Amino acid sequence: GQQVMQIPQYQHVQEGEDFTTYCNSSTTLSNIQWYKQRPGGHPVFLIQLVKSGEVKKQKRLTFQFGEAKKNSSLHITATQTTDVGTYFCAGKTAAGNKLTFGGGTRVLVKP
Amino acid sequence: SQTIHQWPATLVQPVGSPLSLECTVEGTSNPNLYWYRQAAGRGLQLLFYSVGIGQISSEVPQNLSASRPQDRQFILSSKKLLLSDSGFYLCAWSGPGSTSGTYEQYFGPGTRLTVT
Repeated sequence: GQQVMQIPQYQHVQEGEDFTTYCNSSTTLSNIQWYKQRPGGHPVFLIQLVKSGEVKKQKRLTFQFGEAKKNSSLHITATQTTDVGTYFCAGKTAAGNKLTFGGGTRVLVKP
Repeated sequence: SQTIHQWPATLVQPVGSPLSLECTVEGTSNPNLYWYRQAAGRGLQLLFYSVGIGQISSEVPQNLSASRPQDRQFILSSKKLLLSDSGFYLCAWSGPGSTSGTYEQYFGPGTRLTVT
């Protein structure tokens, strides 16, 4: 079945630094979504990418969808303590109504 | 606006006891509904999803079951809980495939289940 892998599993970042988390799917996706889960909370939808090579920005967050539509990345610049949480990517294939979630990247920020 | 409710927020149950978790959605019609389980510090495991009343797709064979008695109600059940059923149970909804092109999912606050 479809698998979605995320690396790294953990990311310790100094406040103010940049980092990137990566997402790779075993199959071609129709779209990929990113979610953020704060400690103790539930996942919250951040963004969806649909087109091959698409790049979208949300303030300090930059999301990219690979040309082959099998991988994606999230880049955060000038990390802040508010960025703490677990970031999940989730892929959807053309058929079906379900998402396959990656294992998440847990981000810890050192002030 | 749409709202999703889950209850209870926390639950402690002994091994072998039954389970019933309820999820309801307001402000939308014919949503796709999902049950996920999240072990501590881990990712989201899809358990069941439903595209309509009485239509349930099971993703992981285990001692859990789901039902959708009404359009905006989704119930997760078990006849006898196991220790391995402990976790954070999340309900989510998304727009129906025929009318929504985005499929983003909106999660409820979750139920933290501890089986002792």
